[in-house]
Amino acid sequence: EAGVAQSPRYKIIEKRQSVAFWCNPISGHATLYWYQQILGQGPKLLIQFQNNGVVDDSQLPKDRFSAERLKGVDSTLKIQPAKLEDSAVYLCASSLPSRSLYEQYFGPGTRLTVT
Amino acid sequence: KNEVEQSPQNLTAQEGEFITINCSYSVGISALHWLQQHPGGGIVSLFMLSSGKKKHGRLIATINIQEKHSSLHITASHPRDSAVYICALSSSGGSNYKLTFGKGTLLTVNP
Repeated sequence: EAGVAQSPRYKIIEKRQSVAFWCNPISGHATLYWYQQILGQGPKLLIQFQNNGVVDDSQLPKDRFSAERLKGVDSTLKIQPAKLEDSAVYLCASSLPSRSLYEQYFGPGTRLTVT
Repeated sequence: KNEVEQSPQNLTAQEGEFITINCSYSVGISALHWLQQHPGGGIVSLFMLSSGKKKHGRLIATINIQEKHSSLHITASHPRDSAVYICALSSSGGSNYKLTFGKGTLLTVNP
């Protein structure tokens, strides 16, 4: 079974530029998550999709971050314009909820450096 | 106060030593997860547990729901165990399942 795919793996941009990340979840996984992990901290949920609908985006900085999941499969996360504090690893995860317990499968992440 | 507290933050051990990483939490949960993250790599799920104890190879995870505490043990540690170990909580609100992560414990096992 193929895992969660993400691209690019690394990205370096200057502040005020735009950047987009792509995620392809495990086939059949209805739930998709985007996390931001700043160095030395645990991941922080940015947005959660159930199929192509948004379930939780309460911690997404909507003035500069946007995400979409067309057709309930692939997803893109965009930052426009980027700030220095956006430097982090952006992780995508997917899951297939079963009863009340579930397990999330994580992609390799995209390491973003904003200079 | 964070909902998830891990200790220690950093841990250095010699190969072969028995390792314990602790996780305390303050909220009700559906399950607790132990995750492993290698430098530059993604996150791998090690255990998901809601009660008792689970064992996989040299790894053992325990949880005490009443005390809101979990431990991850590594027996006969090896340099390849060097990674960040993260405790995360599953909580449910209706159909929305969320993970809340600890800051992680950086484990370094020296040969």
